[in-house]
Amino acid sequence: DIQMTQSPSSLSASVGDRVTITCRASQSISSYLSWYQQKPGKAPKLLIYAASSLQSGVPSRFSGSESGTDFTLTISSLQPEDFATYYCQQSYSTPGTFGQGTKLEIK
Amino acid sequence: QLQLQESGSGLVKPSQTLSLTCAVSGGSISSGGYSWSWIRQPPGKGLEWIGNIYHSGSAYYNPSLQSRVTISVDRSKNQFSLKLSSVTAADTAVYYCARTVVSYYYAMDVWGQGTTVTVSS
Repeated sequence: DIQMTQSPSSLSASVGDRVTITCRASQSISSYLSWYQQKPGKAPKLLIYAASSLQSGVPSRFSGSESGTDFTLTISSLQPEDFATYYCQQSYSTPGTFGQGTKLEIK
Repeated sequence: QLQLQESGSGLVKPSQTLSLTCAVSGGSISSGGYSWSWIRQPPGKGLEWIGNIYHSGSAYYNPSLQSRVTISVDRSKNQFSLKLSSVTAADTAVYYCARTVVSYYYAMDVWGQGTTVTVSS
């Protein structure tokens, strides 16, 4: 299985901050990387697909990038509704493994 | 607007078979360019991909579950199903169904609300 190492596991930030979450794949996954946001008691929501494509309806403050096997989710200016847990997932090969998650909390 | 809704047994005894169905509304499960997936999340933990199926019936499974899992599709009812046999307490989780979009590099763009399955005697 491809391992996805996500960091940090938790993060405290303030409204208006710029935040970066990283996922590193254990091998090349091309651009087969998605980012999801999950709020307590809710299903995950797709934010970014193909490493850097913004899902329809998702605010432009969310962006994704890649460099080799390193992938980054950036929130340019945190809003109150962005406090949630974020997961990356590779879909290059079966099984489609997820990162461990990053819990973004209010400072 | 596509919607997915999970249903099935919420309480399953150890060693028995977990059965869930995902009803698809607002679109056809037979549409090309998609597959239909199951994902689970144990209490307080992260997400685990279980498997997916195409409308043709071709299914792919997580090797860690492959010996116990079957995903099937019923095009006449516009739904797909999950069966997980020989369950243990470790299979207790919220189970989600989702649509996977091939052109989105297999990202999952529409999710059901999830259903809680508890394995207990």
